[in-house]
Amino acid sequence: ILNVEQSPQSLHVQEGDSTNFTCSFPSSNFYALHWYRWETAKSPEALFVMTLNGDEKKKGRISATLNTKEGYSYLYIKGSQPEDSATYLCAFSGNFNKFYFGSGTKLNVKP
Amino acid sequence: NAGVTQTPKFQVLKTGQSMTLQCAQDMNHNSMYWYRQDPGMGLRLIYYSASEGTTDKGEVPNGYNVSRLNKREFSLRLESAAPSQTSVYFCASTTSGGAGEQFFGPGTRLTVL
Repeated sequence: ILNVEQSPQSLHVQEGDSTNFTCSFPSSNFYALHWYRWETAKSPEALFVMTLNGDEKKKGRISATLNTKEGYSYLYIKGSQPEDSATYLCAFSGNFNKFYFGSGTKLNVKP
Repeated sequence: NAGVTQTPKFQVLKTGQSMTLQCAQDMNHNSMYWYRQDPGMGLRLIYYSASEGTTDKGEVPNGYNVSRLNKREFSLRLESAAPSQTSVYFCASTTSGGAGEQFFGPGTRLTVL
């Protein structure tokens, strides 16, 4: 069983604030790192899949970076909006098609 | 396209009863997964099927069995339900194994009394 850790566990910010979260994962046997957005009462939806060290992905105000050598990924949200409120999950994939999820960072953006 | 569908949406069982959770996808994906979600623990992999005809254990397989009926369908069976299996169960599929984004079903909320 692999350990995937996310921090912080929860975050409360004001509308307009920029924020970032961390996902730590094993640096050996790396295949891919995924970020998902999970709104209450819905299913997780994919944000990014990153496979190469140094990868940077961007979708609107949300971006992510990847460091496979030291085993971490950052997710950034610029100018947070209330609709960004959700739990953000990361998932590590090594060999053999398995995914290991972190416990998530719950973001609450106050208007 | 319906994506990933799951039935039932809700279920209440008594300890010792059995049931099968159904999952189907219409995206022609090769790999399918079953997860459980418990408070504070994120998603934990129960079983997965990398391709039609194969199944493998995940992190928490005890008390569960699976069947990959065909490329579209992947079912999860609880033979003798226990209160510890009270959880929300999600099915997911992906086209490219570990590097493909997963598409999730709406979830099944199971309560075992």
